[in-house]
Amino acid sequence: AQSVAQPEDQVNVAEGNPLTVKCTYSVSGNPYLFWYVQYPNRGLQFLLKYITGDNLVKGSYGFEAEFNKSQTSFHLKKPSALVSDSALYFCAVRVYGQNFVFGPGTRLSVLP
Amino acid sequence: NAGVTQTPKFQVLKTGQSMTLQCAQDMNHNSMYWYRQDPGMGLRLIYYSASEGTTDKGEVPNGYNVSRLNKREFSLRLESAAPSQTSVYFCASSEASSSGNTIYFGEGSWLTVV
Repeated sequence: AQSVAQPEDQVNVAEGNPLTVKCTYSVSGNPYLFWYVQYPNRGLQFLLKYITGDNLVKGSYGFEAEFNKSQTSFHLKKPSALVSDSALYFCAVRVYGQNFVFGPGTRLSVLP
Repeated sequence: NAGVTQTPKFQVLKTGQSMTLQCAQDMNHNSMYWYRQDPGMGLRLIYYSASEGTTDKGEVPNGYNVSRLNKREFSLRLESAAPSQTSVYFCASSEASSSGNTIYFGEGSWLTVV
C-alpha cells in the first residue's frame, strides 16, 4: 500500500530565510510525486511534480523539490521565504494504476 | 479559466437530511474525484470516476453515492446526513487516472451536519 508521511505538523521560518517542508513516501513501484498548497478557505493548488528525469524539480512561486530515491523523500524547498508563503502544504504520491495518496499536511508559518 | 467548479460553497444540514454536491470541470478531463478533508487527516478519497460511465469506491465511500452525469459533471450525494459527515469536500479532475497527470481541485464545499 502507498503511504505518505509529513513528519512536521508545523514549520516556522523567518521571512527571507530558506524553508524546507519534509515528505517521505512508501510505494511499490515507481512513484509520481506532487506538492500542493492550500490557502485558508481555498482549494488545493498544484505547485510541482516529479515524474521522471532530473531529481530537482522547479515549480510555481520559486518552490523546488528534490526527489531522493534512496531516502524515499521529496522535500519541498524555497531559498527565501515570504510571509505570503504561509499556508498548508500537502505532499502526494501516485503509482501507475493507483489513486493519489495525500500526506496529512504541514502548516508553514513565515514570520515577518 | 473556471477549471473545477463546485456548489454549494457552504451548507448546513440537519441529521437525516439529504443533499447533492455538484461539480463540473471545463478542462475536458477524463477522470474526476471526490475527496473529504478533515483536520490532521489530509485528503481521503470518497469516490472517483476514471472515465465517463464508470465510478468506483475510494477509501471512505460509506454514506455517499455519486453520479457521473457526463464527461464534465460528477455529483456527490449524501442520502441521510450524519454528524460524522461534517467536513470540507473537494471535487477534482485529471486527464487520466493512472499516470503522472496532475489533479486539479475545486474551491471546496464546507458542510456542517447538526
